[in-house]
Amino acid sequence: GAGVSQSPSNKVTEKGKDVELRCDPISGHTALYWYRQSLGQGLEFLIYFQGNSAPDKSGLPSDRFSAERTGGSVSTLTIQRTQQEDSAVYLCASSRMGTEQYFGPGTRLTVT
Amino acid sequence: AQSVTQLGSHVSVSEGALVLLRCNYSSSVPPYLFWYVQYPNQGLQLLLKYTSAATLVKGINGFEAEFKKSETSFHLTKPSAHMSDAAEYFCAVRRPEGNEKLTFGTGTRLTIIP
Repeated sequence: GAGVSQSPSNKVTEKGKDVELRCDPISGHTALYWYRQSLGQGLEFLIYFQGNSAPDKSGLPSDRFSAERTGGSVSTLTIQRTQQEDSAVYLCASSRMGTEQYFGPGTRLTVT
Repeated sequence: AQSVTQLGSHVSVSEGALVLLRCNYSSSVPPYLFWYVQYPNQGLQLLLKYTSAATLVKGINGFEAEFKKSETSFHLTKPSAHMSDAAEYFCAVRRPEGNEKLTFGTGTRLTIIP
């Protein structure tokens, strides 16, 4: 079946611009996660959605970062006023509750 | 709080030799543990997982790992390395219940010498 998909695969933006990254989870997966992978920080948790519960936003690095999950499916991660330190690969994962996470291919964000 | 430590950011082994990638964890509750592999420009693929059943876990591509509570370790092994095993490997930990976010180690890049 279809895996987790993310778009765009690559995004180059100018410092100060806003960007939106999209994640389509595996159908039927109630949990959705965003992680960030960067050279300096490794793999970091950003945010976690589980069903209709309030999301765990404890990993978001600043208030410039936000995420939504509409209809319990697609999620959008938004970064406002991008900075060079936001350059990284943003990974999305989904799972059924209590099972392993399946990762998408990631979006490589470059802020110039 | 939970954390994992991967000893050795780079490991090189000869083709056909034993692969051993080390992972030690710290957790306030009995953890779930995972090994993921990442090939260049790709996402993470699950190799194997420990979820409190058998302590010796077998995964894909001939890899296995053993959960040792006394040593707080979950080392990844493969008896005979193949060129296709060259990749980056991440150990991860999470709580068995509640928030299921993963905490990752810093990764080990495995190089296979022909």
